[in-house]
Amino acid sequence: TQLLEQSPQFLSIQEGENLTVYCNSSSVFSSLQWYRQEPGEGPVLLVTVVTGGEVKKLKRLTFQFGDARKDSSLHITAAQPGDTGLYLCAGTTTSGTYKYIFGTGTRLKVLA
Amino acid sequence: DVKVTQSSRYLVKRTGEKVFLECVQDMDHENMFWYRQDPGLGLRLIYFSYDVKMKEKGDIPEGYSVSREKKERFSLILESASTNQTSMYLCASSFYARRDRGTEGAFFGQGTRLTVV
Repeated sequence: TQLLEQSPQFLSIQEGENLTVYCNSSSVFSSLQWYRQEPGEGPVLLVTVVTGGEVKKLKRLTFQFGDARKDSSLHITAAQPGDTGLYLCAGTTTSGTYKYIFGTGTRLKVLA
Repeated sequence: DVKVTQSSRYLVKRTGEKVFLECVQDMDHENMFWYRQDPGLGLRLIYFSYDVKMKEKGDIPEGYSVSREKKERFSLILESASTNQTSMYLCASSFYARRDRGTEGAFFGQGTRLTVV
């Protein structure tokens, strides 16, 4: 069974701090996505990375795909209360299946 | 904007009832998925479909069935609802995966919180 482990599971920080969330696996992924989910809502797609070593930026969020395409990180600069939510990574493998494998999730709370 | 719409936000059903959860997407996506999300267990795939009338079991298909008669619509059926099927149900859709590049990501509906009493 392919697994995506996220760390940390929970994170509570003050507004203005920086943070990094990690997504790790022993499997190689052909693409990896990051989502944010707010309570009572469905996950919202933030970004997709496909090339080993790729870095993408979305305002204060920086996403990186590992060189070997087995891991990824999400870095938030100067966190704001609006960043609060559950962050999920998900990947599709190189086997050509159509399923997404979801990570265990990181619950972030940014305090004003 | 991609839109995935689930028919209900909240549902309360009795044990033993047959329950239908409907999902419609407007982006001509080939793939559609049904997940359930429970605290501590994350998102678990129930069924997915990569074409009309095509379906494959996910990780937890027991007690569920699906129907995809039209490309834009994917229905989840609980044949005889039980209390352990109380959960948040999420529908998603995506374009067909390219073998060399995976997919561009899935788009989710707003979720249906189902309570079985």
